[in-house]
Amino acid sequence: EVQVVESGGNLVQPGGSLRLSCVASGFIFSNNWMSWVRQAPGKGLEWVANIRRDGNEIYYADSVKGRFTISRDNARNSLYLQMNNLRAEDAAVYYCARIVEPSDYRYYMDVWGKGTTVTVSS
Amino acid sequence: DIQMTQSPSSLSASVGDRVTITCRASQSISTYLNWYQQKPGKAPNLLIHAASSLQSGVPSRFSGSGSGTDFTLTISSLQPEDFVSYYCQQSHSAPWTFGQGTKVEIK
Repeated sequence: EVQVVESGGNLVQPGGSLRLSCVASGFIFSNNWMSWVRQAPGKGLEWVANIRRDGNEIYYADSVKGRFTISRDNARNSLYLQMNNLRAEDAAVYYCARIVEPSDYRYYMDVWGKGTTVTVSS
Repeated sequence: DIQMTQSPSSLSASVGDRVTITCRASQSISTYLNWYQQKPGKAPNLLIHAASSLQSGVPSRFSGSGSGTDFTLTISSLQPEDFVSYYCQQSHSAPWTFGQGTKVEIK
């Protein structure tokens, strides 16, 4: 079964750090771009970051640039999100998603995890 | 950044109704447009990619159309499990952006 499973969400104080992980199975992880998407309580979806298959091309939302770092370990079939200097507005469910890269470059996210919850509060 | 504007934010309909949700991009995105469905407390589920391509396993009552700046998601005959939220998302250029969502409610 193709799936991704997130972990690492927790309660953290403002200004603190947290590292999220996402483990993939059922597909060749190194063949796909990967993404993090978040959803604050009661709000819509917000794209956070993308990383290329080899990890050498990365994009971030402006809201997290300079504070969050996306990375991957293809040998471990794992995706990570290092979150530093966390703010109250970073509180959300964080989803890991597989990106499909068709030949026409019309990328889309087809496999999503159940999410992991980050709470930022003192 | 490309802004995505969905309308309406919510709508009320009945089982069997035909409904249309609109998504407008702040600049042309060709057909780099995807639609997701999200049930409460669950992860999003891909419905449509490249504006009009139905994802495998998605019922044929869902369809998408549009190009450039204006897109639509149509549900031809609402089923009870369709009363949830829907989001458009552009993958034309980073940063990727989502519409604010449309909640479909039972009338």
